[in-house]
Amino acid sequence: DTGVSQDPRHKITKRGQNVTFRCDPISEHNRLYWYRQTLGQGPEFLTYFQNEAQLEKSRLLSDRFSAERPKGSFSTLEIQRTEQGDSAMYLCASSGTGVEAFFGQGTRLTVV
Amino acid sequence: KQEVTQIPAALSVPEGENLVLNCSFTDSAIYNLQWFRQDPGKGLTSLLLIQSSQREQTSGRLNASLDKSSGRSTLYIAASQPGDSATYLCAVNGGGSEKLVFGKGMKLTVNP
Repeated sequence: DTGVSQDPRHKITKRGQNVTFRCDPISEHNRLYWYRQTLGQGPEFLTYFQNEAQLEKSRLLSDRFSAERPKGSFSTLEIQRTEQGDSAMYLCASSGTGVEAFFGQGTRLTVV
Repeated sequence: KQEVTQIPAALSVPEGENLVLNCSFTDSAIYNLQWFRQDPGKGLTSLLLIQSSQREQTSGRLNASLDKSSGRSTLYIAASQPGDSATYLCAVNGGGSEKLVFGKGMKLTVNP
């Protein structure tokens, strides 16, 4: 296991469609985070899991967004009824007892 | 609400210069400060983590310092190289939250 893995790397979807992204954290990392980054901005926090429990959610995470982490391993982020404003890079990160956060390569979402 | 600022937004320097990148944050009650590098269209690469009890960390040509009381951190890059060209972001967490709050980043260009 060499790092945080995200799939897909790129996604183009039509407005109104649902999309789902997957994140595989570094094995044995119990903390997993989702962030969103738009052009020229730093990443913004979306949600945080410790093991399978979703402990923190941003107000950015509207009811169209849902995240899961079944069994405390991989995580999925689903966006329903996508809007053009959802176009962004979605980043996943994980950390363990060492607290340092390691990020994946991100999923670039384009809503047309 | 924690806010992180990085000034300037961009910097262009000739190869070989020693550089100081600045980061400031408004709430000194942080757990950790982390510096990242981001190449265009890619995820974030962790450079250095400074825990709140530490004052600095070093890795190769990089040295990061932390002054919690003044809400400042600096990243020192020695003998800059064209391969150092990237966007550098700093982020902090704290105040009862695990989430990282990011600055907008500083785009560095090192010219050969």
